[in-house]
Amino acid sequence: GDSVTQMEGPVTLSEEAFLTINCTYTATGYPSLFWYVQYPGEGLQLLLKATKADDKGSNKGFEATYRKETTSFHLEKGSVQVSDSAVYFCALSSGNTPLVFGKGTRLSVIA
Amino acid sequence: DAGVIQSPRHEVTEMGQEVTLRCKPISGHDYLFWYRQTMMRGLELLIYFNNNVPIDDSGMPEDRFSAKMPNASFSTLKIQPSEPRDSAVYFCASSSGPHNSPLHFGNGTRLTVT
Repeated sequence: GDSVTQMEGPVTLSEEAFLTINCTYTATGYPSLFWYVQYPGEGLQLLLKATKADDKGSNKGFEATYRKETTSFHLEKGSVQVSDSAVYFCALSSGNTPLVFGKGTRLSVIA
Repeated sequence: DAGVIQSPRHEVTEMGQEVTLRCKPISGHDYLFWYRQTMMRGLELLIYFNNNVPIDDSGMPEDRFSAKMPNASFSTLKIQPSEPRDSAVYFCASSSGPHNSPLHFGNGTRLTVT
């Protein structure tokens, strides 16, 4: 079945550091790919998405490119802030099935 | 847009008691999902509805769990009887379309069963 594998956390970075959170997937067909973010005490919220190969999703300075050849959707940000501290979830949907989430990666950014 | 509203935010109960969690989805959203989040198992889909009809309940742990959606603006998740291993954060989410559409999550109910 479909699955998502994320790098394990926690990830701790200093403010203004470069962020990469790796995500790879296994799916039949051509899934849509998502990154969700969960801030402390809140539910998940959509951060960005990409629906086909080579698409780049972006939002709030975060980017991820749908790479079909490597089945990856790595999340990047050039300069993190303390306010980016959260748990990040990679997810996929193959269209007729609900989202499949990864286990989440906790990011802590220190000033 | 008030977002997905869940109640209560926190629930503490004793083993064996009945627990009812409530959810009001975003108006106009046809899909409603119940998730459970724990440190050990991450985010698990319990059940989801389309147009108030349960579509897939294969994630419901056992018969102690039940979910209903009597109308488009309200859903409940009930645990009877509750057990300590049910302690988790339970999220409700809704979306306006099939599974490529963004999910909108509530802020969750933190359940503690002692």
